[in-house]
Amino acid sequence: SQELEQSPQSLIVQEGKNLTINCTSSKTLYGLYWYKQKYGEGLIFLMMLQKGGEEKSHEKITAKLDEKKQQSSLHITASQPSHAGIYLCGADTESGTYKYIFGTGTRLKVLA
Amino acid sequence: GAVVSQHPSWVICKSGTSVKIECRSLDFQATTMFWYRQFPKQSLMLMATSNEGSKATYEQGVEKDKFLINHASLTLSTLTVTSAHPEDSSFYICSAAGFHYGYTFGSGTRLTVV
Repeated sequence: SQELEQSPQSLIVQEGKNLTINCTSSKTLYGLYWYKQKYGEGLIFLMMLQKGGEEKSHEKITAKLDEKKQQSSLHITASQPSHAGIYLCGADTESGTYKYIFGTGTRLKVLA
Repeated sequence: GAVVSQHPSWVICKSGTSVKIECRSLDFQATTMFWYRQFPKQSLMLMATSNEGSKATYEQGVEKDKFLINHASLTLSTLTVTSAHPEDSSFYICSAAGFHYGYTFGSGTRLTVV
């Protein structure tokens, strides 16, 4: 069963707009990863979050992990067409093991 | 940094034939390897987890006899799609994890069965 839910499933925004993608789990996350992908291509690692309340930024992308470590958000500021793609969250759900799952994915389209 | 090489990157095969996909960790020992499958417009779904030297653990609904996984060494895992059919066409991606190395993904293999 899917344990990581992403929302929204798809998103179309105008270039320059901000957007947020959420990743929610029913279990405590021991490591939360964000990736970008185009179908049929490999994953591009964006960021990893491990501590409750942690926040990381890279260029115009910011990711946060809540204090309970059950929800993460990915925020893109001033979106550009180059941000288009599929965003996936992935996570460790069991401490000390390599049980790793992916979220349902969010398809982002940015209109120029 | 950790690198995982996956080959081939794409393959077209005839229905009924078998296809082998390799996943190699180039600069670290991968104690655990994972195989995922992805359909268009969908997320990656874990197929199986394999530990070096032991049988793979398959996720529910994944046919063990259809998708043979071998993890014979700490640097190599293979996924063989046996008697492939058009419905097996998909994007397959591996991931490797080892001591001091987290998840590192291969570049994926796009399989088309005609």
